[in-house]
Amino acid sequence: QKEVEQNSGPLSVPEGAIASLNCTYSDRVSQSFFWYRQYSGKSPELIMSIYSNGDKEDGRFTAQLNKASQYVSLLIRDSQPSDSATYLCAVNANSGNTPLVFGKGTRLSVIA
Amino acid sequence: KAGVTQTPRYLIKTRGQQVTLSCSPISGHRSVSWYQQTPGQGLQFLFEYFSETQRNKGNFPGRFSGRQFSNSRSEMNVSTLELGDSALYLCASSLVPTDYGYTFGSGTRLTVV
Repeated sequence: QKEVEQNSGPLSVPEGAIASLNCTYSDRVSQSFFWYRQYSGKSPELIMSIYSNGDKEDGRFTAQLNKASQYVSLLIRDSQPSDSATYLCAVNANSGNTPLVFGKGTRLSVIA
Repeated sequence: KAGVTQTPRYLIKTRGQQVTLSCSPISGHRSVSWYQQTPGQGLQFLFEYFSETQRNKGNFPGRFSGRQFSNSRSEMNVSTLELGDSALYLCASSLVPTDYGYTFGSGTRLTVV
């Protein structure tokens, strides 16, 4: 059973701080990695994707991937109260042939 | 452009009944995936359809079934409902199966009493 593990939180950070969200996965052949954000009562929305080792930046968001350690993270700089949500890590093992597997999510709370 | 449309938004059913949920993907998207979301288990994969063919199926009992029509709209059916089927059912739309930048619908909240 392919697994994606996340700390459920809540992770509380003060406004303006860096929020660091972590995710580990069990299937070593995983190729595609995604971060989705889900506000309470809403459906998930894609915020970042990463496919290669290293960092990928998009505005205040940075995704980091380390395939050797089977670890992917999301950094949110200058955190805002509007970033308060559940962040879901999703992993695909074999592009096109297996479904996206989601972690249970980390709840982030940004305190003003 | 219109997003992913799921109907109905809310359903209350009695144990033993059956239910059909509908999903219309974004225009031009041909791949539809279904997920069940519960507080305890998170997002659990149900099915994936592309060009009217089921490409993948999750680890759910045979009471859960689905299909996709030629216009890419998809339906899922749950027969003989159990209390544990109460969940948010989410449909995700993408251009093709290898495109994992899913766009999710608003979901159908199913309550079984």
